[in-house]
Amino acid sequence: GGIITQTPKFLIGQEGQKLTLKCQQNFNHDTMYWYRQDSGKGLRLIYYSITENDLQKGDLSEGYDASREKKSSFSLTVTSAQKNEMAVFLCASSPTINQDTQYFGPGTRLLVL
Amino acid sequence: GQQVQQSPASLVLQEGENAELQCNFSTSLNSMQWFYQRPGGSLVSLFYNPSGTKHSGRLTSTTVIKERRSSLHISSSQTTDSGTYLCALEPPGFASALTFGSGTKVIPCLP
Repeated sequence: GGIITQTPKFLIGQEGQKLTLKCQQNFNHDTMYWYRQDSGKGLRLIYYSITENDLQKGDLSEGYDASREKKSSFSLTVTSAQKNEMAVFLCASSPTINQDTQYFGPGTRLLVL
Repeated sequence: GQQVQQSPASLVLQEGENAELQCNFSTSLNSMQWFYQRPGGSLVSLFYNPSGTKHSGRLTSTTVIKERRSSLHISSSQTTDSGTYLCALEPPGFASALTFGSGTKVIPCLP
């Protein structure tokens, strides 16, 4: 079996700060995803990547950048943290973009003071 | 409008009760996927269900494409079932990621 790791587990930032979240998977999956979860809103897709060096915008890409420099890693940057923002960011991977189960990491919890 | 509507938003369950969670969708799809999220924890994939009925222990997933709905049935609930259940729609076509419902929070009814 494989595993998805996300770092850091908790992230506390200041308003206006640029914050980077990292995700690693050892499944050798092609596709990786970043989702944001807010209370009562389910998951919303921020960015996804079909393969190394590919980036596709999701529904919530504004205010974020992403980078897929290696097949095994996918990082997400909050370009300017918003005051009082609180959310969980979930990274996932799947063998291909379609017809495959997605596997999720444990999440990074963000709090902006 | 929302492509995936999940209901109910929350559900209080007594131990031993059965429950049914629903997702209705307004677009065509390749499959519905059901996830379980423990309070404060990661998502765990429960079912990948393009159509028909699938069973796993006390859980049953049924997807009926022509009626644009998918359900998750929990039988003989236990306190360990508490948490949030999410459905997700996989659209047809290439390079389209999952669209999630808003979740159903299952809360145990403590004696």
